[in-house]
Amino acid sequence: GESVGLHLPTLSVQEGDNSIINCAYSNSASDYFIWYKQESGKGPQFIIDIRSNMDKRQGQRVTVLLNKTVKHLSLQIAATQPGDSAVYFCAERTGRRALTFGSGTRLQVQP
Amino acid sequence: DSGVTQTPKHLITATGQRVTLRCSPRSGDLSVYWYQQSLDQGLQFLIQYYNGEERAKGNILERFSAQQFPDLHSELNLSSLELGDSALYFCASSPPGREETQYFGPGTRLLVL
Repeated sequence: GESVGLHLPTLSVQEGDNSIINCAYSNSASDYFIWYKQESGKGPQFIIDIRSNMDKRQGQRVTVLLNKTVKHLSLQIAATQPGDSAVYFCAERTGRRALTFGSGTRLQVQP
Repeated sequence: DSGVTQTPKHLITATGQRVTLRCSPRSGDLSVYWYQQSLDQGLQFLIQYYNGEERAKGNILERFSAQQFPDLHSELNLSSLELGDSALYFCASSPPGREETQYFGPGTRLLVL
């Protein structure tokens, strides 16, 4: 499959461990944030979102934390599985503007 | 499968040529977005259409244009192609009232030789 961002920061974890992927955003006026997962050769896949009036949101095996004070977003994946290996992007939105994507983090899950 | 379809999956062409990429949004979605993903630049927003009309423009070159048709499918036209236009081109769609939640298609990989 195609490679995306050959020089992306990489997080390597053992299968079964928890993963934490971090993202710093720049616009303090951003009011909506999304995490996407992109597997090799595929389009970005929606994982979870959070609005700026929240600081935590949980999904199935995933949790997103938002710290507006330091403009930081994180994605926590519980009990990481080999199928979680992918590139993860955070994206932010301000008002009705288009999404602005971060540069991505590659997650490698070691069996 | 997000429900967004894109054709073709791969496209190889020469510099100076013109190509058209096609996108069909998810059923019921009115918004269509186009993105370019290069190896060294991540996802770059190009343009958004809503129900046939242009709504937002990003870093789209003048050589590129897009449109959304009455049946809501969209086409991205790339002309006078250069080597640097080689990239993955993604289309995304979003449902009415939830425009911030975008669902991406599988992409078209363009290689300009």
